[in-house]
Amino acid sequence: DIQMTQSPSSLSASVGDRVTITCRASQGISSDLAWYQQKPGTVPKLLIYAASTLQSGVPSRFSGSGSGTDFTLTISSLQPEDVATYYCLKYNSAPWTFGQGTKVDIK
Amino acid sequence: QVQLVESGGGLVKPGGSLRLSCAASGFTFSDFHMTWIRQAPGKGLEWVSLISNSGLNIDYADSVRGRFTISRDNAKNFLYLQMNSLRVDDTAMYYCARGRPTGHWGQGTLVTVSS
Repeated sequence: DIQMTQSPSSLSASVGDRVTITCRASQGISSDLAWYQQKPGTVPKLLIYAASTLQSGVPSRFSGSGSGTDFTLTISSLQPEDVATYYCLKYNSAPWTFGQGTKVDIK
Repeated sequence: QVQLVESGGGLVKPGGSLRLSCAASGFTFSDFHMTWIRQAPGKGLEWVSLISNSGLNIDYADSVRGRFTISRDNAKNFLYLQMNSLRVDDTAMYYCARGRPTGHWGQGTLVTVSS
């Protein structure tokens, strides 16, 4: 099975900072990679799919890139409402696999 | 609008069974792959099972294969998860979700396995 390694596990940044989260697949998954945001006590929300396509309604400060094995979620200017845990998900084939999550908070 | 409402969770003893249901509305259910995803308390997300829109293609995580069975009723717009031989580490919030990848999620139903 393909493993997904997400890093860092947590980060603290200032409002306005550029934040980058990475996911690495143990084998190539083409562009079948999504990113989710989960705020405390809420259901995960899809931010990006197909590695770089922004889900409707998601602020443009979120972006995704990569293909094959290496993927990145970038928040161009961190806002207080972005405090959350972020997960990547590979869905090219079963079993789907989530990354371990990255907890983002404000410094 | 798209609605997914899970039910059937609860407290069960190890070795017991539960059947989760997910009522779908606001979209053409038979057009979409459906998925169960779970989240143990304070932990990350874990994919559990996937069923294709027709119901002909099904997959499971290794952790549940042989114990859980996913199914759907496209006439009634329902998704199901039959869970047998439940273990303490199956304790989690169980979400049903639509699509590939999953763009819409229900609010979840809590399954607690404890003696």
